Amino acid sequence: EPEVTQTPSHQVTQMGQEVILRCVPISNHLYFYWYRQILGQKVEFLVSFYNNEISEKSEIFDDQFSVERPDGSNFTLKIRSTKLEDSAMYFCASSDLVAQYGYTFGSGTRLTVV
Amino acid sequence: EDKVVQSPLSLVVHEGDTVTLNCSYEVTNFRSLLWYKQEKKAPTFLFMLTSSGIEKKSGRLSSILDKKELFSILNITATQTGDSAIYLCAVDLYNTDKLIFGTGTRLQVFP
Repeated sequence: EPEVTQTPSHQVTQMGQEVILRCVPISNHLYFYWYRQILGQKVEFLVSFYNNEISEKSEIFDDQFSVERPDGSNFTLKIRSTKLEDSAMYFCASSDLVAQYGYTFGSGTRLTVV
Repeated sequence: EDKVVQSPLSLVVHEGDTVTLNCSYEVTNFRSLLWYKQEKKAPTFLFMLTSSGIEKKSGRLSSILDKKELFSILNITATQTGDSAIYLCAVDLYNTDKLIFGTGTRLQVFP
């Protein structure tokens, strides 16, 4: 069964450092998403990406965040200068045009900012 | 503000029991409701519900949506220890890309 792959599974970084989280969505999907889940809290939407540009972003997705699809397969989330409160599980997801089979989530990257 | 509320927050049962998980929502431009199972990490897709009153079934799991009363239930019959997980409910809306998640129900099934 096709899956969304995320790397790394766990990243520890110092406050102020830049991190790049990587995702390989399902190959025939057209929509890509990043969500995050702070420990003990709800899964929250960050950003959606379609046709090589941001389709929608939440208020969480400020200037510290950026997304890119540098080639035909990878989809990345960059956090420019990490803060302690960025510590969370970050999930990548993808869907086909009408999300008829729901959204497929990756296994997540646990980001710990120290 | 769009809102999704799940209950109970936590449930502890013995193998063989039947459980019912609840999800209510208050949103504008409802499109569909999705159920996910979250074990160690990735939420895995269970059901997508768009129409009222039509039960979706997969093995021991089933779910139904009531668009008039704005809720859905997820039933698990003859629970097994492998059903232990957090069950997430999310609502998909028209005119936005984002899913709105509930806090989840943590189910623990003991032998």
